Amino acid sequence: QVQLQQWGARLLKPSETLSLTCVVSGAPLSGYSWTWIRQPPGKGLEWIGEINHSGSTNYNPSLKSRVTMSVDTSKNQFSLKLNSVTAADTAVYYCARRIDPWGQGTLVTVSS
Amino acid sequence: EIVLTQSPGTLSLSPGERATLSCRASQSVSSSYLAWYQQKPGQAPSLLIYGASSRTTGIPDRFSGSGSGTDFTLTITRLEPEDFAVYYCQQYGSSPITFGQGTRLEIK
Repeated sequence: QVQLQQWGARLLKPSETLSLTCVVSGAPLSGYSWTWIRQPPGKGLEWIGEINHSGSTNYNPSLKSRVTMSVDTSKNQFSLKLNSVTAADTAVYYCARRIDPWGQGTLVTVSS
Repeated sequence: EIVLTQSPGTLSLSPGERATLSCRASQSVSSSYLAWYQQKPGQAPSLLIYGASSRTTGIPDRFSGSGSGTDFTLTITRLEPEDFAVYYCQQYGSSPITFGQGTRLEIK
């Protein structure tokens, strides 16, 4: 059974860098795309981007200038960095294997 | 970018009734790469349907998906109390991957 467990800083100040990591158990990273999605409180879902096991990335154009994704196959995990955050980046961030399964989500709050 | 529009925004029904949720795309969805998710408060979305009509393992057969091209439907026959939640459609055939705005299914 594939499971995704994510972690990272939950409270940031404006202009800081959001950093989240998702470790995968029950499956290798190879053969799939690994995805980040976010959901502002009370709102809908936004796809941030995806990365494969070799490090090829595909980002949402709306966030592309601020997003960096990376993969560490030795630890079977992948990561998200979003720089220059503002209050508009406050959201629950999810990692996922393409479309399923998803991680448990991490609420990241940006506040001064 | 493919824009997905879900209707209705809110659907009020009683247990035992049939729910029909719509997802319309601004352009054709490649190879029917259309998924449906259920989300309950405080939980991550859970995949119900992929490929427009294939149920994920463990999903009851009262959930069914249909459609192709630009028009897709999620049908829930005989609503159970645990089915009242928010439902999202997602297209994953074209980049960027996009989601509909959601349909809230509430108890009447």
